[in-house]
Amino acid sequence: NAGVMQNPRHLVRRRGQEARLRCSPMKGHSHVYWYRQLPEEGLKFMVYLQKENIIDESGMPKERFSAEFPKEGPSILRIQQVVRGDSAAYFCASSQDRDTDTQYFGPGTRLTVL
Amino acid sequence: SQKIEQNSEALNIQEGKTATLTCNYTNYSPAYLQWYRQDPGRGPVFLLLIRENEKEKRKERLKVTFDTTLKQSLFHITASQPADSATYLCALAPNTGTASKLTFGTGTRLQVTL
Repeated sequence: NAGVMQNPRHLVRRRGQEARLRCSPMKGHSHVYWYRQLPEEGLKFMVYLQKENIIDESGMPKERFSAEFPKEGPSILRIQQVVRGDSAAYFCASSQDRDTDTQYFGPGTRLTVL
Repeated sequence: SQKIEQNSEALNIQEGKTATLTCNYTNYSPAYLQWYRQDPGRGPVFLLLIRENEKEKRKERLKVTFDTTLKQSLFHITASQPADSATYLCALAPNTGTASKLTFGTGTRLQVTL
């Protein structure tokens, strides 16, 4: 049973470009969560999605960031017009159920903005 | 505001000893608490989950306690080994609203030496 897959593992973008981060949840999991980890800081919740629905986006910056989890295919975290402050590790997690269920994390995508 | 505190200083212990890590929280009523392990450059790996109505949970050499009166969880690794060296994160899920929105502490780095 493959774990949570994320790609790319490393992404380098110049300021103003777009970054697309992909996440495939574990088999049988329909709940996806995105977290961001800045250097020397803890993981911060960004958004929680189910198939075709955004359930909680309270941790998402209001501008430039968007997320989706289509009926088919991986979940996508999209960052438009990246700035240096967006450089971080972005982790995706998935769970089988919503409440009181363990979240399993992917290896992360390390975004570097030049 | 909600706060989760883990000792930011690294914990250095000798192989074979018991490592005890602390997670304190304020202004929070968690439904459950989880402990994760994170190695450099990797995603968090789930270790244990303990619910608000549970006092203690064990798994092999790991033990977690949860005191909702003290607002504290202790994480113990008995007979520690150099392979246990990593950063350990505690994460809380709220008792209201979106239970799946985990809030993480910044982690405590454990170093087990021979």
